[in-house]
Amino acid sequence: AQSVAQPEDQVNVAEGNPLTVKCTYSVSGNPYLFWYVQYPNRGLQFLLKYITGDNLVKGSYGFEAEFNKSQTSFHLKKPSALVSDSALYFCAVRDRTRGSSASKIIFGSGTRLSIRP
Amino acid sequence: EAGVAQSPRYKIIEKRQSVAFWCNPISGHATLYWYQQILGQGPKLLIQFQNNGVVDDSQLPKDRFSAERLKGVDSTLKIQPAKLEDSAVYLCASSLSGGYNSPLHFGNGTRLTVT
Repeated sequence: AQSVAQPEDQVNVAEGNPLTVKCTYSVSGNPYLFWYVQYPNRGLQFLLKYITGDNLVKGSYGFEAEFNKSQTSFHLKKPSALVSDSALYFCAVRDRTRGSSASKIIFGSGTRLSIRP
Repeated sequence: EAGVAQSPRYKIIEKRQSVAFWCNPISGHATLYWYQQILGQGPKLLIQFQNNGVVDDSQLPKDRFSAERLKGVDSTLKIQPAKLEDSAVYLCASSLSGGYNSPLHFGNGTRLTVT
C-alpha cells in the first residue's frame, strides 16, 4: 500500500536561513511525488513535482526538492526562508506503475513551517 | 484562468441533518476530486470522477455520503445524515487529466461543523 510520512509536525526557522521540510514515502513501484502548500482558510496550492530525470526539481516561490530513491525521501528545501513562507506544507505520492484507476494520490499529515523575523 | 469554485465556504448543522456542497472545476479539467481534511490531518480522497464517471470511491462512506457529477462539469457532494465526526473541511480539486503527473488544483474548501 502507498503511504507518505512527514515526521515533523512543525519546523521553525529564522528568516534568511535555509529550510528543510522532510518527507518519506512508500510505494510498491515507482513514485510520482508532489509538494503542496496551504495558507490559512485556503485550499492547497501546487509547488512542485518529481516525475523522472534530475533528482533535484525546482518549483514555485524559490522552493526545490530532492528525490532520493535509496532513502525513499523527497525533502522540500529553500536556501533562504522568508516570513511569507510560513504555512502548512503537504507531501503527496502516487504510484505510477499502477493503473490510474487504482492509484490514488496520498497526502502526508502536513508540516507547519514557521519563519520568524 | 478562473480557479476551482466551491460553495458554501462555511456550514454549521446539527447531527442527523443533511448538507450539500457544490464544486465547479477549472474549465476543461476532466478529472474532479472530493477530499475530506480533518483538522491536523492531510486530505483524504473521498471520490474521484473522470468526466461524469466514478474512478475511485473506495473511501466514500456510502451509507451517508453521495456525490454526482452530471454532464461531467460541476459536482455536488451530499451528507445525509451527518455525524459529529464529519466535521472537517471538504476540498474539491480538479486536474486536466487523470494522468499520474497532473497536479491538482484545489478550491478554498467548505468548512463543515456538525454540532
